[in-house]
Amino acid sequence: GAVVSQHPSWVICKSGTSVKIECRSLDFQATTMFWYRQFPKQSLMLMATSNEGSKATYEQGVEKDKFLINHASLTLSTLTVTSAHPEDSSFYICSARQQGANGYTFGSGTRLTVV
Amino acid sequence: AQSVTQLGSHVSVSEGALVLLRCNYSSSVPPYLFWYVQYPNQGLQLLLKYTTGATLVKGINGFEAEFKKSETSFHLTKPSAHMSDAAEYFCAVSEGPSDGGSYIPTFGRGTSLIVHP
Repeated sequence: GAVVSQHPSWVICKSGTSVKIECRSLDFQATTMFWYRQFPKQSLMLMATSNEGSKATYEQGVEKDKFLINHASLTLSTLTVTSAHPEDSSFYICSARQQGANGYTFGSGTRLTVV
Repeated sequence: AQSVTQLGSHVSVSEGALVLLRCNYSSSVPPYLFWYVQYPNQGLQLLLKYTTGATLVKGINGFEAEFKKSETSFHLTKPSAHMSDAAEYFCAVSEGPSDGGSYIPTFGRGTSLIVHP
């Protein structure tokens, strides 16, 4: 079945630094990937839709200059949290849909802690 | 527009008891419906999905859900709870069935299943 690999699983960074999270589709091509943010004990909030070879589509209220998304190939999308602050600490999850499939495959998530 | 309501943020059952997690949805078009499970600090794993056809859907780990259009519901059940079922469960709805259509799922707030020995 379709597998999505997300890396790293955990990251701790200092305030003001940038962190890159990778999302890879291992056995299929994903022209579209999705990035979610999940707060403790809450549902997933869609941040943006990542489109291969074009700009990402951000949801209302998400700062595109802070959360940089690059979808450079059909199997890789990256989310970079720039100039991170403690309030950016959260669980970030990516997902992708295989062409023709009726569901989404999720990555294992990245726990970001900004200190 | 679509939305999902999961009744009860926490459900507590004894091991061996019936599990029932409720999900109601709204959608302006025929929906695709999903249940996902999330273990601590992990991503979401698909339990089952309804797209078209049979309204009773069987998934992994003994779970099943029934699509009831008249009630706009997609409740998740399991006859006998196991300790390993303790996790967060999310119901989701997306517009279907066109492959080129808007496919982004909307998630409910989640229900935490607690299983007592």
